[in-house]
Amino acid sequence: DAGVTQSPTHLIKTRGQQVTLRCSPKSGHDTVSWYQQALGQGPQFIFQYYEEEERQRGNFPDRFSGHQFPNYSSELNVNALLLGDSALYLCASSLGGWAYEQYFGPGTRLTVT
Amino acid sequence: ELKVEQNPLFLSMQEGKNYTIYCNYSTTSDRLYWYRQDPGKSLESLFVLLSNGAVKQEGRLMASLDTKARLSTLHITAAVHDLSATYFCAVDTQFSGTYKYIFGTGTRLKVLA
Repeated sequence: DAGVTQSPTHLIKTRGQQVTLRCSPKSGHDTVSWYQQALGQGPQFIFQYYEEEERQRGNFPDRFSGHQFPNYSSELNVNALLLGDSALYLCASSLGGWAYEQYFGPGTRLTVT
Repeated sequence: ELKVEQNPLFLSMQEGKNYTIYCNYSTTSDRLYWYRQDPGKSLESLFVLLSNGAVKQEGRLMASLDTKARLSTLHITAAVHDLSATYFCAVDTQFSGTYKYIFGTGTRLKVLA
């Protein structure tokens, strides 16, 4: 039973560039949430996708956008990268549009230089 | 402002000792989650507490929830080195029509042999 997978593992980008991160949920899950975790801090909720729509959103600017595909996988896009976007980006999957029993992926470490 | 605060932030304890981590939150919520994170790794779900008075135990860890006091505790019994990690609590709630999933500050636990 495959767990949550994310790609790439690490990424280095330059300020102003755009980045796309990918996530495949745990088998049987249909809901994907994205989090940003800066070094030494707790994760911050970015948004949640369910039934191919953004259902919930945290306090992040419009530079952060996403998409969910019919197979429930998801992408996180960040435009006009800032140095402060450097963080570990975590994807979590769950069932039925809720965040109960979330399973987290290994994360993508993004460094913006 | 919505806050989830953990106490202590850092904890160094001897093997075999008992200790409690506290999680206070400022919003009304009947759902509280505990996670474990090892250095450089993703989050592992430990407990999901869904009602007032809920108590769950797994091995040397026991979590409880008091929604009236807006307090959850994570009790460690007879600590072992393998429990060294950072522990996060989190709550989710609707606030001003917006869904929030908020992590605490984290408690970095080090168990000394």
